[in-house]
Amino acid sequence: EAAVTQSPRNKVAVTGGKVTLSCNQTNNHNNMYWYRQDTGHGLRLIHYSYGAGSTEKGDIPDGYKASRPSQENFSLILELATPSQTSVYFCASGDQGRGSDYTFGSGTRLLVI
Amino acid sequence: GEQVEQRPPHLSVREGDSAVITCTYTDPNSYYFFWYKQEPGASLQLLMKVFSSTEINEGQGFTVLLNKKDKRLSLNLTAAHPGDSAAYFCAVSANTGANTGKLTFGHGTILRVHP
Repeated sequence: EAAVTQSPRNKVAVTGGKVTLSCNQTNNHNNMYWYRQDTGHGLRLIHYSYGAGSTEKGDIPDGYKASRPSQENFSLILELATPSQTSVYFCASGDQGRGSDYTFGSGTRLLVI
Repeated sequence: GEQVEQRPPHLSVREGDSAVITCTYTDPNSYYFFWYKQEPGASLQLLMKVFSSTEINEGQGFTVLLNKKDKRLSLNLTAAHPGDSAAYFCAVSANTGANTGKLTFGHGTILRVHP
C-alpha cells in the first residue's frame, strides 16, 4: 500500500543541537512537502521539493534546511534547534499534476528543551 | 500569494445538528478545492476534492458548496454525530500562475459533536 512514513514519531532535542526528521514515500510522487502544525496557525509550509535533488523554500523556511536525495526520501534538518521549533511536523507527497491532493505522514512530535 | 481564511476556529454542536465550516480564498486562479479531516493525534485524511466546474458535491453525511463569485467554499455536515469530532482543514490550489499545484491551507476548525 502506498504510504508516507515519517521517523521518528517523537523526538526530544536540546537547544542548539542538530535534528533530522525523515520522510519516505512509496507513492512515486514527484512532489514532497514539510509542514509544521501549531495551535492557531494551522499548517505552515517550511520546504518542498519537485523531485530528487530539488528543494524550495516555503512560507517559513528560516532555521530549517531540506534534503531530497532520492524520489522516495525527503529530510528536514534543524541545524541549531531552538525551543520555538517545538511543534508537530508533517511530511506530505503529491503528484505533479494540477489538482493533485496530498498524502500525509503520521507526523513527528518534536520537543526542543 | 494565495490566502485562505477559515471560520470558525472552533465549533460545538449537538448530535443530529448540522455544522457548517466556511473558507474564503483570494486567488482568482484557484481551481481545485480540498477538505481534510484530522482526528485527535492523527494525520490528515482527504475528505473530498472538488473542482471549479462543480458547485455542489455530496459525500457521506456532508455537502461541499463552492461559490466562485464570492470565492467561498463551505463544508456542511448534516446530522453530525460524535464520530465527526475532529479538526477540519480546507485547502486550495490554482490551475495556473505561481500557486499552480501547491495547496494553501486554512487554519483549521476544531469541531466537537456532543450527545
